[in-house]
Amino acid sequence: GQQLNQSPQSMFIQEGEDVSMNCTSSSIFNTWLWYKQDPGEGPVLLIALYKAGELTSNGRLTAQFGITRKDSFLNISASIPSDVGIYFCAATNTGNQFYFGTGTSLTVIP
Amino acid sequence: GAGVSQSPSNKVTEKGKDVELRCDPISGHTALYWYRQSLGQGLEFLIYFQGNSAPDKSGLPSDRFSAERTGGSVSTLTIQRTQQEDSAVYLCASSSRGWYGYTFGSGTRLTVV
Repeated sequence: GQQLNQSPQSMFIQEGEDVSMNCTSSSIFNTWLWYKQDPGEGPVLLIALYKAGELTSNGRLTAQFGITRKDSFLNISASIPSDVGIYFCAATNTGNQFYFGTGTSLTVIP
Repeated sequence: GAGVSQSPSNKVTEKGKDVELRCDPISGHTALYWYRQSLGQGLEFLIYFQGNSAPDKSGLPSDRFSAERTGGSVSTLTIQRTQQEDSAVYLCASSSRGWYGYTFGSGTRLTVV
């Protein structure tokens, strides 16, 4: 099935550093979302983006819906140990079927 | 319930046996989804329910996989004659009508030996 191209695949950063990850697709989508998955848990929605060019923040997280509607990025500022996990982008046109990226595994070194 | 509940949380089965995975969505959520997550991979869409009907079954990998939903609530994903490649975490999610975002359960980790 179709998947989104997400990068980087993994990141190892020092506590306090900023993090940036992105997601691209060959198809246009009208909604992009970012999820975080902790070990042994299901993904949890972090940010939803509904409009091309939209920039949305949720605490230390900022996400943007690319102007071409084929990409999105997620930034985490001043990382802390609890930011550890796998981050997934997701996109949809129907609100019924979502396509997911392959995930970015984030490790924060105290 | 307060969240999406999946059972069992872990299942080890022998190759060739059938398994049933259960999902209890959030009360009132009309849409229910099943995804499969293999080790180190993203989420692979399996099937989507709106109420009791499944408008999109396109992700079911083979005819060994089936799912049903009754009473607009509980859903069961059945895998017949399990194979080792079926080993994965099976995630269920539900959503309210018109809301673009899921609430996921914690998943069932299936291991076929």
